[in-house]
Amino acid sequence: GEDVEQSLFLSVREGDSSVINCTYTDSSSTYLYWYKQEPGAGLQLLTYIFSNMDMKQDQRLTVLLNKKDKHLSLRIADTQTGDSAIYFCAEIRDSGYALNFGKGTSLLVTP
Amino acid sequence: DTGVSQDPRHKITKRGQNVTFRCDPISEHNRLYWYRQTLGQGPEFLTYFQNEAQLEKSRLLSDRFSAERPKGSFSTLEIQRTEQGDSAMYLCASSTRGGGSPLHFGNGTRLTVT
Repeated sequence: GEDVEQSLFLSVREGDSSVINCTYTDSSSTYLYWYKQEPGAGLQLLTYIFSNMDMKQDQRLTVLLNKKDKHLSLRIADTQTGDSAIYFCAEIRDSGYALNFGKGTSLLVTP
Repeated sequence: DTGVSQDPRHKITKRGQNVTFRCDPISEHNRLYWYRQTLGQGPEFLTYFQNEAQLEKSRLLSDRFSAERPKGSFSTLEIQRTEQGDSAMYLCASSTRGGGSPLHFGNGTRLTVT
């Protein structure tokens, strides 16, 4: 987790957009992922992006990648209370098999 | 396709006892991973199988931990002589072959060592 950093907490109001940020250190990262974890559950894959892409959109989710700054963000449009969870950023390197995860951002959506 | 299945969901054991967890990956996935997650942390990689071969082990995987994947299907993770520091969520994931294939996780086994 030390190579992938995320802010620990984010609070938004229902209906607003949420932006969760992530930075990583290894320039050889080839794929970057966003996972969601609800209490007591495993990790649910939300979306992922290849390092040669700048943006990927999937319904309410938009992923932006700034490879120069090694910065990844996840935007959730029209955030709902059901989006409250912990969101993990993860990267995989060209030479590796395993995902390296950040510590997660806890998103709280208030009515 | 029922997703990745882990058993049991919860395990409470006394220090010094041995425990074994099972993971059934998605049927067409030939890659299988074990991760450990403690409170407030992201998952940490433990070990990785491609088919039945264990190809990578983290330094987190002490001698008390052993993982197997006979016949390249389900996998087991055994912890011998459990310690309180082993208390964590143990997550299994699987993926298909190929660069960037995303990992699909099970719901985990929560281990509490008393």
